[in-house]
Amino acid sequence: QSALTQPASVSGSPGQSITISCTGTSSDVGSYNLVSWYQQHPGKAPKLMIYEGSKRPSGVSNRFSGSKSGNTASLTISGLQAEDEADYYCCSYAGSSTVFGGGTKLTVL
Amino acid sequence: QLQLQESGPGLVKPSETLSLTCTVSGGSISSSSYYWGWIRQPPGKGLEWIGSIYYSGSTYYNPSLKSRVTISVDTSKNQFSLKLSSVTAADTAVYYCARTMIVVIAVDYWGQGTLVTVSS
Repeated sequence: QSALTQPASVSGSPGQSITISCTGTSSDVGSYNLVSWYQQHPGKAPKLMIYEGSKRPSGVSNRFSGSKSGNTASLTISGLQAEDEADYYCCSYAGSSTVFGGGTKLTVL
Repeated sequence: QLQLQESGPGLVKPSETLSLTCTVSGGSISSSSYYWGWIRQPPGKGLEWIGSIYYSGSTYYNPSLKSRVTISVDTSKNQFSLKLSSVTAADTAVYYCARTMIVVIAVDYWGQGTLVTVSS
């Protein structure tokens, strides 16, 4: 299995919206609505931000939203804040296994 | 509050076997709703799923690591373990233990992570 494809970096100014894409194949993202997104600050463990493509765990800001179209999932962060600066990883079920994306570094300008 | 804590050697020699244990507190590892597993992150790189285990002992492994990985569970101790054989420098990483919600295949709890360095 190959890693899901994410852009290496994205940036935005406070208050703006950004979208991070996550492209897989018909064997993972395209076949299952089981994409999750994780936020990771330096030196910390990842934190679940989105599951089942678009659902937010309790306590996660509604500024974070997810969607999927075909083999590509997306994470949108609206109203960017300084604390959103972090690495973001997508993850998909791939039939008895799980595959992560390569990660995207979000810089808040 | 559920907590997961990794333990094991921080330094392993090339060709030897890496062994880590995750101790779960604040909840039972025998829950039917979760898998328990391992995820690693080489320094400065992305996350890689290693594998997961159900409390009954059913296992699921990353195909690229399957020949070298064994994950086991000890429900009496509320622990699960990772063994990775024939390690090389490429296996140097922070190793996280984690809980995955079965229905939605998402990791909702992570350990703090432990750095394992492969070096002679």
